[in-house]
Amino acid sequence: GQNIDQPTEMTATEGAIVQINCTYQTSGFNGLFWYQQHAGEAPTFLSYNVLDGLEEKGRFSSFLSRSKGYSYLLLKELQMKDSASYLCAVGNYGGATNKLIFGTGTLLAVQP
Amino acid sequence: GAVVSQHPSRVICKSGTSVKIECRSLDFQATTMFWYRQFPKQSLMLMATSNEGSKATYEQGVEKDKFLINHASLTLSTLTVTSAHPEDSSFYICRPSMAGGETQYFGPGTRLLVL
Repeated sequence: GQNIDQPTEMTATEGAIVQINCTYQTSGFNGLFWYQQHAGEAPTFLSYNVLDGLEEKGRFSSFLSRSKGYSYLLLKELQMKDSASYLCAVGNYGGATNKLIFGTGTLLAVQP
Repeated sequence: GAVVSQHPSRVICKSGTSVKIECRSLDFQATTMFWYRQFPKQSLMLMATSNEGSKATYEQGVEKDKFLINHASLTLSTLTVTSAHPEDSSFYICRPSMAGGETQYFGPGTRLLVL
């Protein structure tokens, strides 16, 4: 089976750094994706890790450890607009394309 | 990134009616389409996977006779919710994919409210 866990909610302060963790147990692993989702909107792609290590993209970074089944999303210099749900998704190779299985999502509230 | 559209963006219907949702990949050929739904304050749940020209594969617990998926072309897939009931009210989102290509972009979603 597949199991993907994230904290349900987090709170952080504007200008600070926050780390959102994701642990997973899955078969056929083919990459770890992070998405941002604002209320009432579809998810927006943030990052993709398939190899171990840190991927940096502006204020956002994502880390993966395949041996530990662990990933985190790091958000720096938090802004109010970063208040959203952050979804961790595991790519599960099913033939020619990736089936994405989502975690429960972490609702991040950025406070002034 | 890939350009994906969904229509309608929002629909309200009476219980017992059928609703068709269209998903179009505007700048690439989608050999595979993934359909998700999301209930309030929950994460995305994969409903089904369809390959162009083939029957869809449904996830456990999703009724294939209720959620009809057609993927007749490489740029268009449709999801029809048949005989919709209030419990089908949800946010339906598509994700087109092509072999060896980008697979991470979603459509903007369709919010369905069944009265």
